[in-house]
Amino acid sequence: EADIYQTPRYLVIGTGKKITLECSQTMGHDKMYWYQQDPGMELHLIHYSYGVNSTEKGDLSSESTVSRIRTEHFPLTLESARPSHTSQYLCASSDRGGAKPTDTQYFGPGTRLTVL
Amino acid sequence: ELKVEQNPLFLSMQEGKNYTIYCNYSTTSDRLYWYRQDPGKSLESLFVLLSNGAVKQEGRLMASLDTKARLSTLHITAAVHDLSATYFCAASFTGKLIFGQGTTLQVKP
Repeated sequence: EADIYQTPRYLVIGTGKKITLECSQTMGHDKMYWYQQDPGMELHLIHYSYGVNSTEKGDLSSESTVSRIRTEHFPLTLESARPSHTSQYLCASSDRGGAKPTDTQYFGPGTRLTVL
Repeated sequence: ELKVEQNPLFLSMQEGKNYTIYCNYSTTSDRLYWYRQDPGKSLESLFVLLSNGAVKQEGRLMASLDTKARLSTLHITAAVHDLSATYFCAASFTGKLIFGQGTTLQVKP
């Protein structure tokens, strides 16, 4: 069982505001990911990181940015929120090494964002 | 580009019945994962399948992988209400996961 945390769990905010979604994991996993999921739909990768100071954009274009200054922390920032950003944002982490090299991604509880 | 397709997308079944969810992927992949998601919740890892012919079982769920056919199945045996959820398969491609659309399973008493 992975320990991965996201805050806030729910956020309702007005258009134009800057927001940061927090994601932390305590397993020392090198790899971390951000996904966007609309209700009842599949997950789309928007950002990922394979280690400190390494970040890449995912397959779904996103106006958000991420940083990875510490192994355990992978925050996502929206400089100016818009109604089109309304969605659920899921953070995940994985570790390919060790005795169980399955690279399974473990997900946090998610942040449900509503932009008015 | 890797695409992952699940079939069916919605499944309503009676308790006690058996059924299979299919997951097809379009390009060679070295890992296939199954996840469960309850409404309004996050994803819970169920299985990871690493090689052709791999079979994993947990309770009433059994997953298998045929890499030659690029097909994974999730078989449900004698369904119970607690299995009601959305099930996602995901294929690994260049270190990233590509998810299927999800199959929403509704088990009726």
